[in-house]
Amino acid sequence: AQSVAQPEDQVNVAEGNPLTVKCTYSVSGNPYLFWYVQYPNRGLQFLLKYITGDNLVKGSYGFEAEFNKSQTSFHLKKPSALVSDSALYFCAVRDTGGTSYGKLTFGQGTILTVHP
Amino acid sequence: EAQVTQNPRYLITVTGKKLTVTCSQNMNHEYMSWYRQDPGLGLRQIYYSMNVEVTDKGDVPEGYKVSRKEKRNFPLILESPSPNQTSLYFCASSLSWTSGTYEQYFGPGTRLTVT
Repeated sequence: AQSVAQPEDQVNVAEGNPLTVKCTYSVSGNPYLFWYVQYPNRGLQFLLKYITGDNLVKGSYGFEAEFNKSQTSFHLKKPSALVSDSALYFCAVRDTGGTSYGKLTFGQGTILTVHP
Repeated sequence: EAQVTQNPRYLITVTGKKLTVTCSQNMNHEYMSWYRQDPGLGLRQIYYSMNVEVTDKGDVPEGYKVSRKEKRNFPLILESPSPNQTSLYFCASSLSWTSGTYEQYFGPGTRLTVT
């Protein structure tokens, strides 16, 4: 069965500093990986995805993520955090080798707080 | 404007009273899905549909029903709601699931309280 873990419930960072939000996954085949962001009282918005190819993928709002197959990780990063980045972040995975063809599994979410 | 709409946005109901939450998308997307969001548990998939008349269970389907008679609509039905179904519900759609590469577009959410 596919699964996703976001080991940190909360991440706090000062504005201007780099940020990392961690995600690890477990699949039987190859993963399709996604990051979504949820601002207060809003639905989720897509940030970026890894399907194949370059391990470093770039997405919206200056975010990027690095796919590491050996460590089964897909950490979200940004070189310089903004206060407006404060939100709830979700990692999600689809297992291309699984029997549940249409399933998408989300992590429990990480609250990112950027302090001025 | 391309969007996923859900109705109602807020609903308070009593145990056992059947309810339907509607979801509609105007992007001609093949894939649609329902999730519930609970604190500390993230989003959990309830049901998904890869196309008209094709639906399948997600991770937490118990107590829910869905149907996909038209491409644009994917209602979530709670035949006999219980308090443990109190949650924030999201509908989402994506262009296709065949390749699996497409991101999902989410609706604004429906906050359901069952007393």
